[in-house]
Amino acid sequence: DARVTQTPRHKVTEMGQEVTMRCQPILGHNTVFWYRQTMMQGLELLAYFRNRAPLDDSGMPKDRFSAEMPDATLATLKIQPSEPRDSAVYFCASGPDRGTYNEQFFGPGTRLTVL
Amino acid sequence: AQKVTQAQTEISVVEKEDVTLDCVYETRDTTYYLFWYKQPPSGELVFLIRRNSFDEQNEISGRYSWNFQKSTSSFNFTITASQVVDSAVYFCALLNRDDKIIFGKGTRLHILP
Repeated sequence: DARVTQTPRHKVTEMGQEVTMRCQPILGHNTVFWYRQTMMQGLELLAYFRNRAPLDDSGMPKDRFSAEMPDATLATLKIQPSEPRDSAVYFCASGPDRGTYNEQFFGPGTRLTVL
Repeated sequence: AQKVTQAQTEISVVEKEDVTLDCVYETRDTTYYLFWYKQPPSGELVFLIRRNSFDEQNEISGRYSWNFQKSTSSFNFTITASQVVDSAVYFCALLNRDDKIIFGKGTRLHILP
């Protein structure tokens, strides 16, 4: 039963610290997405990769957030420096690349609290 | 504009009652997909159904059923004979040609014993 995995599941940190969240997409999936869920904004797309190349990161605050795929089995989302308003649940999703209208399978999420 | 509206923020029903969650969407695309996800208290997003824009047949899966009406841009979800385990937040979502899923704000469903 292939699943998207995310680490850590929970992270509490202090304002100003660097935070790195990791995602292992399902083997063979070529598209990877990062979403953020907050009470106020709901689920928002932050970044989207296809074949490890960033296609769209327009939803991401550029000054402090960065998303990368060092290899096909790892996607990272980094916040530096973190702020209390970054507190949220961050979901990673992956999907097969069939050209368009690709399905997305969600990981369990990383719950981030910035004090 | 691409948009998904779930007008019901929160619903409470007594166990065994039927409940319908509303979803209205907007899109310029003629081809698109609609989804429903369940988010239980544990927090994960559980896929429930995917429906493409050319398939307007209603679907039933156990106690769950979905009513897709393109004429009114709606994709409503009904739980029959609700159970306490159905308590969760339910999200309706739209997938367009650029692979971006647009989520509604969710409906929090409370099933009271």
